[in-house]
Amino acid sequence: EAGVAQSPRYKIIEKRQSVAFWCNPISGHATLYWYQQILGQGPKLLIQFQNNGVVDDSQLPKDRFSAERLKGVDSTLKIQPAKLEDSAVYLCASSLYGTGYNEQFFGPGTRLTVL
Amino acid sequence: AQSVSQHNHHVILSEAASLELGCNYSYGGTVNLFWYVQYPGQHLQLLLKYFSGDPLVKGIKGFEAEFIKSKFSFNLRKPSVQWSDTAEYFCAVMPTGTASKLTFGTGTRLQVTL
Repeated sequence: EAGVAQSPRYKIIEKRQSVAFWCNPISGHATLYWYQQILGQGPKLLIQFQNNGVVDDSQLPKDRFSAERLKGVDSTLKIQPAKLEDSAVYLCASSLYGTGYNEQFFGPGTRLTVL
Repeated sequence: AQSVSQHNHHVILSEAASLELGCNYSYGGTVNLFWYVQYPGQHLQLLLKYFSGDPLVKGIKGFEAEFIKSKFSFNLRKPSVQWSDTAEYFCAVMPTGTASKLTFGTGTRLQVTL
């Protein structure tokens, strides 16, 4: 079974530039998550999709971050404009359903450095 | 909102030593509890989980964790660590019910020396 795919793996940008990350979840998984992991901290949920609808985006900085999952499969996360404090690893995860009884499978992450 | 505390940020052990990593959470209701592990250069992966029943749960690679409800704790243990256990370990909690979110602790970096 193929795992969660993410690209790119690394990205370096200047502040105020824009950047986009892509995630392809495990086939058949209805729920997709984007997490932000700042160095020295645990992953923090940014947004959760159930199919192509948003379940929770309460911790997404909506003035600069956006995410979509148009066909209920793959997803993109965008930052525009980026700030220095956005430097982090962005993790995508998926699960069969969004309840606490379903294991979340994580991708390799995209390491973003904002200069 | 729930929160998770991991008391040890960096632990160094010799091979064959016993391991216990602390995890405490705060939440007033029922929760599911998880330990995730990230080996160097690899994805975050599930080590073990507790939903209900026997508070002592066993996971992969000889790890186990005990849920003590009265102490809001879910400590991770292994009787004898190996060099290959070198990794970062994250405790996480998710309230039961729909539309709940997984909250992670800050992680414990375990370094096992030969």
